[in-house]
Amino acid sequence: AQSVTQPDIHITVSEGASLELRCNYSYGATPYLFWYVQSPGQGLQLLLKYFSGDTLVQGIKGFEAEFKRSQSSFNLRKPSVHWSDAAEYFCAVTGTASKLTFGTGTRLQVTL
Amino acid sequence: GAVVSQHPSRVICKSGTSVKIECRSLDFQATTMFWYRQFPKKSLMLMATSNEGSKATYEQGVEKDKFLINHASLTLSTLTVTSAHPEDSSFYICSARLSLGRSYEQYFGPGTRLTVT
Repeated sequence: AQSVTQPDIHITVSEGASLELRCNYSYGATPYLFWYVQSPGQGLQLLLKYFSGDTLVQGIKGFEAEFKRSQSSFNLRKPSVHWSDAAEYFCAVTGTASKLTFGTGTRLQVTL
Repeated sequence: GAVVSQHPSRVICKSGTSVKIECRSLDFQATTMFWYRQFPKKSLMLMATSNEGSKATYEQGVEKDKFLINHASLTLSTLTVTSAHPEDSSFYICSARLSLGRSYEQYFGPGTRLTVT
């Protein structure tokens, strides 16, 4: 069965600092990986996705993520965080069945 | 492109009544739509997979007679919570998958906050 682990429940960073959100997955074949962001009371917005090819993927809002098969990881990064980035971030994995499995989420707080 | 809407965004209903939530893909056709439930400060839990023109597939532990799903067209799926009770209060989110190509991407609606009093 596929699963996703986001080990950090809550992260606080200062505005302008760099950010890395961790995501580890478990899947028997080649995974399709996603990062979504959710603002309070809102739906999910896709930040970026990995299907194949270049293991470093660029997304919207200045985010990027790197797929590392050897570590079963897909960590999300941003070089300089803005106050508007404060939200809940979800990592997700799917395969050929196309059923998304989400991690438990990481809440990002940005201090000014 | 790939916009998904949900209606209503918020609904309050009395215990014992039924409430219908609509999920629409506005600018694309979606053979498959998904319904999720999200508890406060929790992740999304897949409730069911809705396929156009066929019966929905429910996840283990989800009562199909309580959460009725209809996917009558390629752009509309509905979730009806029947005989709602306070424990059904939650945030319900739908998503839609493109019918052609990029079939692994899901586009999410803004969610519906259901409160049962």
